[in-house]
Amino acid sequence: GQNIDQPTEMTATEGAIVQINCTYQTSGFNGLFWYQQHAGEAPTFLSYNVLDGLEEKGRFSSFLSRSKGYSYLLLKELQMKDSASYLCASGGRGSTLGRLYFGRGTQLTVWP
Amino acid sequence: DTGVSQDPRHKITKRGQNVTFRCDPISEHNRLYWYRQTLGQGPEFLTYFQNEAQLEKSRLLSDRFSAERPKGSFSTLEIQRTEQGDSAMYLCASSHDSIRSYEQYFGPGTRLTVT
Repeated sequence: GQNIDQPTEMTATEGAIVQINCTYQTSGFNGLFWYQQHAGEAPTFLSYNVLDGLEEKGRFSSFLSRSKGYSYLLLKELQMKDSASYLCASGGRGSTLGRLYFGRGTQLTVWP
Repeated sequence: DTGVSQDPRHKITKRGQNVTFRCDPISEHNRLYWYRQTLGQGPEFLTYFQNEAQLEKSRLLSDRFSAERPKGSFSTLEIQRTEQGDSAMYLCASSHDSIRSYEQYFGPGTRLTVT
């Protein structure tokens, strides 16, 4: 695997900003992905970073530092509907190209 | 609906029985993936097809598991002699090999319960 590590749970209030961190094993790295998964539903794609830096997409931004094996997902202006599990995943390369290695997910609860 | 579809959505079976799940990917996607997810965990990769060729199988996929994609369109995942440990959500995903190939679209999953 890719030793994906992310916090198990986080809580925040509506309108706030939350940062979900993720660390991964740097060898064999081929891109860092974030997916959102609501309870009982399929994961949906949020972002993909392959180069260092910040990618912004509306209220969600994702950051990558390849040298540190570190990424974060930043959610701004939180809404109740953002309560979900956020999955960090790294892409395989070479013989494992195509597969995603997922972390356990961070369960985010947004309170009113 | 042009998304990934899976059938059935739920399956309850007795230990020792065989089960088969079907996945229909997005029509222009030539890559198809199977993952398994248990409660509180992220999805775990099982296997991956490019067109009809099965390119990779995880070590998680014991010899009781077999997947096919005979015409490079839909895929089936069969579990023989099911065990209670097979209870999980089985997710299928698809992607295109050149257009935003990194983005995998997931289906709603088949929830398997082995009693």
